[in-house]
Amino acid sequence: AQSVTQLGSHVSVSEGALVLLRCNYSSSVPPYLFWYVQYPNQGLQLLLKYTTGATLVKGINGFEAEFKKSETSFHLTKPSAHMSDAAEYFCAVTTQSSGDKLTFGTGTRLAVRP
Amino acid sequence: GAVVSQHPSWVICKSGTSVKIECRSLDFQATTMFWYRQFPKQSLMLMATSNEGSKATYEQGVEKDKFLINHASLTLSTLTVTSAHPEDSSFYICSARLRPSSDEQYFGPGTRLTVT
Repeated sequence: AQSVTQLGSHVSVSEGALVLLRCNYSSSVPPYLFWYVQYPNQGLQLLLKYTTGATLVKGINGFEAEFKKSETSFHLTKPSAHMSDAAEYFCAVTTQSSGDKLTFGTGTRLAVRP
Repeated sequence: GAVVSQHPSWVICKSGTSVKIECRSLDFQATTMFWYRQFPKQSLMLMATSNEGSKATYEQGVEKDKFLINHASLTLSTLTVTSAHPEDSSFYICSARLRPSSDEQYFGPGTRLTVT
């Protein structure tokens, strides 16, 4: 079975500050990891994903995440927060053996202060 | 590309009635679609996996007779909540897989169901 833990249900940063959203996973087989963003009353939009290859992946809107197997982590970062980044962020994991079913974390709500 | 739509975006129904939610892949054919449920301020929980032309596979704890899923074509899957009750009020989100071998899902905008 696979699982995802997102530390911090709420994160608040100042505009222009570094954004760091934490995600740790548990999987007995190589994971595929995803970060999604959800704006109010909307579906999820893929920010970035890691499947194989380069462990530092870059996504849309200036976000990036690094897969660290030794730490079982896939933290999401952005060097400089923008007001439009305020949203709910979900980390998710799947594996080939799970039939590509996504298991989501509980989400982190990012607030950006002016 | 890879756009998924849902209809309706918002629905209110009376307790005991049934409501149908549609999920469409607009610019691609999806052999597999997924249905999720999201409670306020909580994560998405997978309800079922819908494969075109076959019966849906439900997750443990999801009532098959209450949440009827039909995937009649490669671009349409429907979720019918039968005999709805207030506890069924939730945000329902579908997703579609672009290709059978793809690891990526594209999500619809969601449908907010309120049962009074």
